[in-house]
This record gives sequence, structure tokens and C-alpha cells, in this order.
Amino acid sequence: NAGVMQNPRHLVRRRGQEARLRCSPMKGHSHVYWYRQLPEEGLKFMVYLQKENIIDESGMPKERFSAEFPKEGPSILRIQQVVRGDSAAYFCASSPPEGNTEAFFGQGTRLTVV
Amino acid sequence: AQSVTQLGSHVSVSEGALVLLRCNYSSSVPPYLFWYVQYPNQGLQLLLKYTSAATLVKGINGFEAEFKKSETSFHLTKPSAHMSDAAEYFCAVTRGGYQKVTFGTGTKLQVIP
Repeated sequence: NAGVMQNPRHLVRRRGQEARLRCSPMKGHSHVYWYRQLPEEGLKFMVYLQKENIIDESGMPKERFSAEFPKEGPSILRIQQVVRGDSAAYFCASSPPEGNTEAFFGQGTRLTVV
Repeated sequence: AQSVTQLGSHVSVSEGALVLLRCNYSSSVPPYLFWYVQYPNQGLQLLLKYTSAATLVKGINGFEAEFKKSETSFHLTKPSAHMSDAAEYFCAVTRGGYQKVTFGTGTKLQVIP
């Protein structure tokens, strides 16, 4: 049973480009969470999704950031017109639908904006 | 709202010495509390969790933590540090279940041979 898979592991984008981060949850998991880790900081919650629904996006920046978790395929975190301040590690976690079971984390995507 | 505060962004211990990483929480409802470990360039691995059952929680790799409501604390301990314990440790809280976990800023543990 593969763990949470994130790709790419490393992503370099020039200012103004788009970044697309992918997360494939563990088999059987229908809940996905995205977190951002800025240098020397803890993880900050961004968004919580279930299949085809955004449940809680209170941690998402109001502009340029969006997330989806379609019925088929991985969850996507999309950052439009990236700026240097978007450079961070982005972690995805998933959990099963039962609710009271721990979330498992992927290894993260490290985004560098140059 | 809930939050956690980790005291000490860097902790150094000698190999074989006691490890003590401090975490205090704030929560308006009975919390779920967690400790995660992150090795360089890796994701987070759950060490242990408190979910309102036993107040002394044992986790993997010999770590344990005690929930103390009166002190709003959930400190992580290990009797004898190993070199392999060198990593960053995050305390985290949620109000129930595993959604929207709030993390502390982390404590980097250095183990000195």
C-alpha cells in the first residue's frame, strides 16, 4: 500500500509562471489536506478537501492559489503568477473517510521561485 | 481556536541523555494532541497522539508524552537519546478528529556524541 505520493518533489519556477503540485492520497483515503511550510516555520494549514468538494479553505491566500480534488485523479494545488514569497515546502496529507483516523503525510514538494 | 507553543527552537542533548521537548497548548474544547517528527527533506511522521484516553501516551522509537490539563502541556520525552533522534519535532493540536491540524513552529533536536 503506497503512501501519500506528491510530485514533483522539487519544482523551480520563474516569477510570473504557474506552479501545479500534485498529491495522490493513500488508497481508500477520500480526505486531503494541504499545508505550507515556510523556511524556519511550522506547517500552516491551507485547505481541506474531500472528493469534488472544498470543505475548509480558510488558510488559502485569497488570490492566485486554488485547489481541487476531482472524482478521478490526484488533488492539485495550483499557484498562478508565482512570486518569490511562494517559495516553500508544500505538504499534502490524506485520511480515510471515517474521520477519527490519523492523516498521513507525503514527502512534500519544494517550490523554488527564481 | 486552538494553538500550540513549542518552547525552544533548538535543543541539544548528549547521546544517552534525557530528551525533553516542551509543548503547551491552548484550546477552547478538549483537544487532540500530536507529536510529529520530520527528518531533513522528508515528510512528517506521527510519533504519538493523545485523543482523550490515557494521559500518558507511548509512541514509536521510545518516545512518550504526558497530557497535563492543569498545565495545558504535552511535553515529549525519551529516556535516552540516540544519534538517530536528531530531527525536527512538531507539536500539533486539533479540536477533534484530524482535520485542520494546527502545528507549532518546531524544535530541532541535536544529539551530541
